[in-house]
Amino acid sequence: GDSVTQMEGPVTLSEEAFLTINCTYTATGYPSLFWYVQYPGEGLQLLLKATKADDKGSNKGFEATYRKETTSFHLEKGSVQVSDSAVYFCALSDPQAGTALIFGKGTTLSVSS
Amino acid sequence: GAVVSQHPSWVICKSGTSVKIECRSLDFQATTMFWYRQFPKQSLMLMATSNEGSKATYEQGVEKDKFLINHASLTLSTLTVTSAHPEDSSFYICSASVVGAGEETQYFGPGTRLLVL
Repeated sequence: GDSVTQMEGPVTLSEEAFLTINCTYTATGYPSLFWYVQYPGEGLQLLLKATKADDKGSNKGFEATYRKETTSFHLEKGSVQVSDSAVYFCALSDPQAGTALIFGKGTTLSVSS
Repeated sequence: GAVVSQHPSWVICKSGTSVKIECRSLDFQATTMFWYRQFPKQSLMLMATSNEGSKATYEQGVEKDKFLINHASLTLSTLTVTSAHPEDSSFYICSASVVGAGEETQYFGPGTRLLVL
């Protein structure tokens, strides 16, 4: 079945460092790909998404490119801030299976000043 | 943006009792709501899909008599954990789906942490 694998955390960075969180997926169809973020004490929020190959999703300085050839959707940010500390979830939605989301395990990012 | 609330945010109960968790879309109507369960350091696992006015669709391995879902209105879905046991202790998260500009987006609640003693 469909699945999402993302890098184990926690990821600990200094402010202004470059961030990459790897995410790869397995799907039988042509899924839409998402990154969600969960700040402490809050619900999941959609960070960005891409619905087809080579699409780039971007938001708040984060970006990820849908790479069909490598089945990847890595999250990047050029300069992280302390306020970016949160748990990041990669997810996919397979239109053939309805709109339910399949999530990775989540990666905790901790940014220090 | 769209807001989804859950109540309670956390609950502790004795084994054998039932617990009801509410999920509300506060400023929009959602025809579909989803219930997820998250174990520590694990993925969110979909438990069931709930459509307003109809029976919920449960994922394989989820006991429908154990986890009762009611979606009586376009803004409220409830999950009742019946005869709760310690293994039901978990973090339960709901989401509400809304369609706009031809795209469907899920908005998530903050989650409910359940501890069964």
